[in-house]
Amino acid sequence: DAMVIQNPRYQVTQFGKPVTLSCSQTLNHNVMYWYQQKSSQAPKLLFHYYDKDFNNEADTPDNFQSRRPNTSFCFLDIRSPGLGDAAMYLCATSRELNNEQFFGPGTRLTVL
Amino acid sequence: GQSLEQPSEVTAVEGAIVQINCTYQTSGFYGLSWYQQHDGGAPTFLSYNALDGLEETGRFSSFLSRSDSYGYLLLQELQMKDSASYFCAVQPSGGKLIFGQGTELSVKP
Repeated sequence: DAMVIQNPRYQVTQFGKPVTLSCSQTLNHNVMYWYQQKSSQAPKLLFHYYDKDFNNEADTPDNFQSRRPNTSFCFLDIRSPGLGDAAMYLCATSRELNNEQFFGPGTRLTVL
Repeated sequence: GQSLEQPSEVTAVEGAIVQINCTYQTSGFYGLSWYQQHDGGAPTFLSYNALDGLEETGRFSSFLSRSDSYGYLLLQELQMKDSASYFCAVQPSGGKLIFGQGTELSVKP
C-alpha cells in the first residue's frame, strides 16, 4: 500500500549526540514536511521540501536540519539534541502545496 | 499572525452527536481542515472545507463560515473508538498547516 513510513518509531539519544530521523514515501508526492509535536500540543511545522526546494520556518532552531536526496526520502538531522527537543517528530507529504497532507506514524524521540 | 481556538476537551456518550468548534484569526487561507489523532498515533485527515458550507463524510461532517471566522466538526453516532484528539488547521499559503491546540474527545459508554 502507498504510505508514509518513518524509522525508527522510537529513538533514544544522549544530550548533545547527533541523531537522524528517516521518512520515506511511496505516494510520489512533491512535498515533504517535518513537524514537531510535544506532549499535549499541536504539531508545529519545522520545514518542508517542495521537490528539492527547501523551505525553513522562521522560528525553527538552527539545530534542526533536513536533507531530501530524492523524491522518496527525507531526513531530519538534529545536530545537538537538548532535553527540550524530546518530542514526536511527524513526517507528512502532499501532492502539491495546499493539498491534503498524509502523515507518517511519527518517531518519538527521547533525549537522556 | 494566525491563531485557532478550540475547546480543550469534550465528553459525550456512545451514540450521541457532538460538535467541536473552531474559531480562527487569520488574514487569509485556502481552507479549514480537521485531523484526528489517537494517543501515540499520527494525525489522520478527516475533512476539508475550501468553501463555506457543510461537507459530509459518513458519520463526520464539517462546516465553514468565512464571514464568521468559524468552523466546526460534527461527529454523529459516536463510538468508543472516536475517543481521540481532534485538531482544526488552516493553510494560509505555501503548504504550511497551522493547527489549533486540539480538542480531546472522550466517549463514555
